[in-house]
Amino acid sequence: DGGITQSPKYLFRKEGQNVTLSCEQNLNHDAMYWYRQDPGQGLRLIYYSQIVNDFQKGDIAEGYSVSREKKESFPLTVTSAQKNPTAFYLCASSGGAWNQPQHFGDGTRLSIL
Amino acid sequence: DQQVKQNSPSLSVQEGRISILNCDYTNSMFDYFLWYKKYPAEGPTFLISISSIKDKNEDGRFTVFLNKSAKHLSLHIVPSQPGDSAVYFCAASGGYSGAGSYQLTFGKGTKLSVIP
Repeated sequence: DGGITQSPKYLFRKEGQNVTLSCEQNLNHDAMYWYRQDPGQGLRLIYYSQIVNDFQKGDIAEGYSVSREKKESFPLTVTSAQKNPTAFYLCASSGGAWNQPQHFGDGTRLSIL
Repeated sequence: DQQVKQNSPSLSVQEGRISILNCDYTNSMFDYFLWYKKYPAEGPTFLISISSIKDKNEDGRFTVFLNKSAKHLSLHIVPSQPGDSAVYFCAASGGYSGAGSYQLTFGKGTKLSVIP
C-alpha cells in the first residue's frame, strides 16, 4: 500500500540530546513537509522540501534541521537548541502542484525525560 | 497573527442532522483551501478541497462552500454520523498565486461530536 511512514511512534529525549525522526513515503511525491502540533493548536510548518537536495525553512525552523538526500525520505532532527521540543510531529507529502493536497503520516510524539 | 481562524473550538450535533464547520481567513493571497479530519494520535486525513475559482465543491456527504468576498469557508456534513466525531482542521495556501505555493496555513481546529 502507498503511504507515509513515520517512526518511531513515541520518542523520548534527554536534555541536551539530539534526536532524529524518520519519514518515508512511497507515493512518488516530489514535495515533503514537517509540521509540529501542540495541544489545542493547529499545525505549524517547520521545514519543507520541493525536490531532492533542496529544502526551505517554515515558520518555526529554529532548533530543527532536515536533509533530503532521497526522494522517498525526509528525516527531521530535533537539536538540543530546541528549547521546547515536546510535541506531536507530523510528516506530509504532496505531488507538488499547487492544487494537490498534502497527505500525512501518523505522527511521532516526542517527550522530554 | 492568525491567518486562518476557526472560531468554534467545539460543536455537538445529533446523528442524522447537518454539521456546519466554519473557517475565516485574512490573507487575500490564499486561493486553495482544504479540510482535514483528525483522530487523536493519528495524522490528519484529507477530506475535501476547493480552489478560489469555485464557490462550492461536493464529495458525497461533504460539501465545502467558499465566499471569497467575506473570506469565509464552511464544511457541511449531511447526514452526520457518529464516525464523523473528530477534530476538523481548515487549511489554506497561496496556491497558484505563488505566495508560498507549497505551504499550508492551518486553523486551530474544531472538535465535532456527533451524538447517537
